[in-house]
Amino acid sequence: ILNVEQSPQSLHVQEGDSTNFTCSFPSSNFYALHWYRWETAKSPEALFVMTLNGDEKKKGRISATLNTKEGYSYLYIKGSQPEDSATYLCAFPSGNTGKLIFGQGTTLQVKP
Amino acid sequence: NAGVTQTPKFRVLKTGQSMTLLCAQDMNHEYMYWYRQDPGMGLRLIHYSVGEGTTAKGEVPDGYNVSRLKKQNFLLGLESAAPSQTSVYFCASGRGEYGYTFGSGTRLTVV
Repeated sequence: ILNVEQSPQSLHVQEGDSTNFTCSFPSSNFYALHWYRWETAKSPEALFVMTLNGDEKKKGRISATLNTKEGYSYLYIKGSQPEDSATYLCAFPSGNTGKLIFGQGTTLQVKP
Repeated sequence: NAGVTQTPKFRVLKTGQSMTLLCAQDMNHEYMYWYRQDPGMGLRLIHYSVGEGTTAKGEVPDGYNVSRLKKQNFLLGLESAAPSQTSVYFCASGRGEYGYTFGSGTRLTVV
């Protein structure tokens, strides 16, 4: 059974703080790792698709890195803003079933 | 550029009533999914479909039925609603390797 673990479960930071969280996934048969941003009362929105070991992707103040050999990905937010408050999900494809296995998410609250 | 459209957006049902949630996608995706989201539980897969005319059970299928008569539509049915089915329901389409596109969600309350 594939397991995708995210930590921490929740995080409270002050505006301007930089923060990071972790996604752990099975390192065998790697194909891709997805990050989603999920704001309250909205639907999950794709942030990054990570496919290559050592990959680093960036979108504004948010970036992500990937280590497929050890099975983890980090998401970094530089200078957090209140609008960054959301749940950040990572997801891993389940073999060739077409399904994504989601982590439980990290919920970030940024206080002004 | 609709992507994935879910209807309705909100619904209140009485215990025992039935309803159908509709998911429509215009991206020609073979794979479609229904999830429910409950506080502290993340996204849980109810049923999914790998193509027109096919359906399969996910993690939490009990109390739900689905149909995929047309490639672009995936229907989720509740035959006899229970308060435990109060949740936010999300539809998604796409293959896991490439990522999903999600609908905007349906907030269902069963009283």
